[in-house]
Amino acid sequence: AQTVTQSQPEMSVQEAETVTLSCTYDTSESDYYLFWYKQPPSRQMILVIRQEAYKQQNATENRFSVNFQKAAKSFSLKISDSQLGDAAMYFCALGGHQFYFGTGTSLTVIP
Amino acid sequence: DSGVTQTPKHLITATGQRVTLRCSPRSGDLSVYWYQQSLDQGLQFLIQYYNGEERAKGNILERFSAQQFPDLHSELNLSSLELGDSALYFCASSPAVVINYGYTFGSGTRLTVV
Repeated sequence: AQTVTQSQPEMSVQEAETVTLSCTYDTSESDYYLFWYKQPPSRQMILVIRQEAYKQQNATENRFSVNFQKAAKSFSLKISDSQLGDAAMYFCALGGHQFYFGTGTSLTVIP
Repeated sequence: DSGVTQTPKHLITATGQRVTLRCSPRSGDLSVYWYQQSLDQGLQFLIQYYNGEERAKGNILERFSAQQFPDLHSELNLSSLELGDSALYFCASSPAVVINYGYTFGSGTRLTVV
């Protein structure tokens, strides 16, 4: 069975600081993809970053980067230089033939 | 604008009623997915369609049904509504069956059952 676990229901970070959100997963598929989605108060789901499991290089998108540890089945999201607009619920997701979401981490950014 | 269009944006209805939520996928996307998100809850997968055919079913109640039409738009029908059905219903689309580029989400339909 495929599962995605986010063990941090809530996190907070000072503005301009760095925060890391954790995600672990389990899958029996050999070819899969990992994603982080952001859901701000508007409730719109926004794709933040994507990682192909067969690539060892960690994905980066501006201030967002991931630490992908395939053997450990870990996929954490690092947000650098945190901004007030980063405050949102963040969902980790596993994709392949189906899509599986974690339960989310609520990130608060403190001015 | 993500390219996935959901209508209506808001819906208020009474218990026992039936409603239809509509979704138009992003141009070129063949797969449509429906999710339910209750207040402060995660995303519950309901059902997936690919090019008009049902491909996967999640935790969808028997009171709920969906279909995808030849023009690829999809409708989610919710009947005998209960207070607990109040939620945000998302539609998402992707180009193919294998989800390698992620979903594109619509902005959701907020359903309130009173």
